[in-house]
Amino acid sequence: NAGVTQTPKFQVLKTGQSMTLQCAQDMNHEYMSWYRQDPGMGLRLIHYSVGAGITDQGEVPNGYNVSRSTTEDFPLRLLSAAPSQTSVYFCASSQYSNQPQHFGDGTRLSIL
Amino acid sequence: AQKITQTQPGMFVQEKEAVTLDCTYDTSDPSYGLFWYKQPSSGEMIFLIYQGSYDQQNATEGRYSLNFQKARKSANLVISASQLGDSAMYFCAMRDGTTDSWGKFQFGAGTQVVVTP
Repeated sequence: NAGVTQTPKFQVLKTGQSMTLQCAQDMNHEYMSWYRQDPGMGLRLIHYSVGAGITDQGEVPNGYNVSRSTTEDFPLRLLSAAPSQTSVYFCASSQYSNQPQHFGDGTRLSIL
Repeated sequence: AQKITQTQPGMFVQEKEAVTLDCTYDTSDPSYGLFWYKQPSSGEMIFLIYQGSYDQQNATEGRYSLNFQKARKSANLVISASQLGDSAMYFCAMRDGTTDSWGKFQFGAGTQVVVTP
């Protein structure tokens, strides 16, 4: 079972570059989320989606865009990377409200 | 607004002893779910246990149990008979009951547990 797949696992960017972090799940989950995890902190929600075509902002959305054209995919776009966006990014999905989120393995992103 | 508080940044526990990790939460919604996750040094997030706000009994999963005190808004994780492999960061998380927010989890800052021989 693939579960939640994130690509790439590691990425180094220069300030001002753009890139897309990919997230795909094969569990037909409606709910998908993106988090960032910084040292000494918990996970902070960037954006989330409750189904195809529906997205909403989380706690720290600035500098990030998302779209949800299919149930399976939920890419996260950095339009103009900044050093403050250096972090580990996790994608997660869940089906029902009493079900836990399944997490991808994370993307470690460094912005120079 | 939701809020999750984990007041213990780190703790040491001896192998085979029990350990309690504190978690308090704040929500005005009567319907909510509480989750605990484990993050070992390898980085993956591992789901441990779930407690629903309407559940009558405390949740248990193997060596993990959740001490749910609804009136005090606390959901402490108890790990019995600690093992060396339990050394990890532990996160408490909550989502509230609004349908549009079912995907919106909020996490605490975490507690680092180190199990010693």
